[in-house]
Amino acid sequence: GQSLEQPSEVTAVEGAIVQINCTYQTSGFYGLSWYQQHDGGAPTFLSYNALDGLEETGRFSSFLSRSDSYGYLLLQELQMKDSASYFCAVHNQGGKLIFGQGTELSVKP
Amino acid sequence: GAVVSQHPSWVICKSGTSVKIECRSLDFQATTMFWYRQFPKQSLMLMATSNEGSKATYEQGVEKDKFLINHASLTLSTLTVTSAHPEDSSFYICSASSDRTYSNQPQHFGDGTRLSIL
Repeated sequence: GQSLEQPSEVTAVEGAIVQINCTYQTSGFYGLSWYQQHDGGAPTFLSYNALDGLEETGRFSSFLSRSDSYGYLLLQELQMKDSASYFCAVHNQGGKLIFGQGTELSVKP
Repeated sequence: GAVVSQHPSWVICKSGTSVKIECRSLDFQATTMFWYRQFPKQSLMLMATSNEGSKATYEQGVEKDKFLINHASLTLSTLTVTSAHPEDSSFYICSASSDRTYSNQPQHFGDGTRLSIL
């Protein structure tokens, strides 16, 4: 079967750093993406890793280790507006995305 | 760039009605579009993959006669929920890609359609 595991919820304070982990087990793998989704909205693309290592985009960074089937999203200098659900998604054959169950991030003042 | 427009944003209708949702790529040619469904507090579940000019490929458990998908042009795909019932109430989201064979590029999502069947 195909599965992605990520924590269901994470709480942090403004200005802090938070890491959301994602482990995956899929029959095909072309890369790992991260999406942000606010309540009632559509997913917004954050980051993508095809190769091992760290990708940095502003306050957000994403890491991938293909040998460990593991990745994480790192959010720095947290702001209240970062409160949202974060999904990791494996890129599968034919361009399909397989999504994790999502991590609900709550940022407290 | 890479803007995907989805219409309508909200639909409320009576049970038994058929509802059509449109997904358009505004600034690129989308050879492949994907349709997802998301229930509250749950993940996005892929329903079907739509390639321009060919029949859609449905995921296991998705009724193709219930969810009709048409991808007649490089910028438009439609999802029709036929004879909708309350259990079809959900958030439907499309995404688009410019490459039929890619597997390593981010998908660009529409804003979603919230469907409520009374």
